[in-house]
Amino acid sequence: LAKTTQPISMDSYEGQEVNITCSHNNIATNDYITWYQQFPSQGPRFIIQGYKTKVTNEVASLFIPADRKSSTLSLPRVSLSDTAVYYCLVARYSSASKIIFGSGTRLSIRP
Amino acid sequence: DGGITQSPKYLFRKEGQNVTLSCEQNLNHDAMYWYRQDPGQGLRLIYYSQIVNDFQKGDIAEGYSVSREKKESFPLTVTSAQKNPTAFYLCASKGGEAYGYTFGSGTRLTVV
Repeated sequence: LAKTTQPISMDSYEGQEVNITCSHNNIATNDYITWYQQFPSQGPRFIIQGYKTKVTNEVASLFIPADRKSSTLSLPRVSLSDTAVYYCLVARYSSASKIIFGSGTRLSIRP
Repeated sequence: DGGITQSPKYLFRKEGQNVTLSCEQNLNHDAMYWYRQDPGQGLRLIYYSQIVNDFQKGDIAEGYSVSREKKESFPLTVTSAQKNPTAFYLCASKGGEAYGYTFGSGTRLTVV
């Protein structure tokens, strides 16, 4: 599975849009991108996943360019409760095989 | 509500003792996973199981053992062979492609 690289930390303010970019240069054709959120002492929570172009749900958007070598998680109008660690992962379709977690991006939201 | 239950939430053990962490799911998921997380770090895969009575080693399986006798249950035993067992342990399961991985709330193991 492709290794992912994302910023170690980011800071923003309440009400701002936050974009976290992840690179996955070696992504394969049958891989997709998925993002998780983790609060301290809790298990990660699924946010969004996609294969290409743009995916949007009630909490976030995911932008994936045509070459799929990177992806950007967009959080609209963040609040203090969005302070967490965000993981970008590459997973493989039709496989219950392992997924690899990197160190994630520690997002801090200030008032 | 469907989900994954890990117990206990906190566990203390003396060095040299084996300890078993429980993971139960009622999501009817075939695949289950165990991860270890150290402070400030990402998750590392210990073991995973795609079906009942079958499991594979992850990246850091040494000192750990698992069983998968029932679809709903995937217990993890931390043996005395694990050099640094103190960590946060997370269990996960996976169903269909559209739903990602569901994680439990974790067990924090402290060995003294």
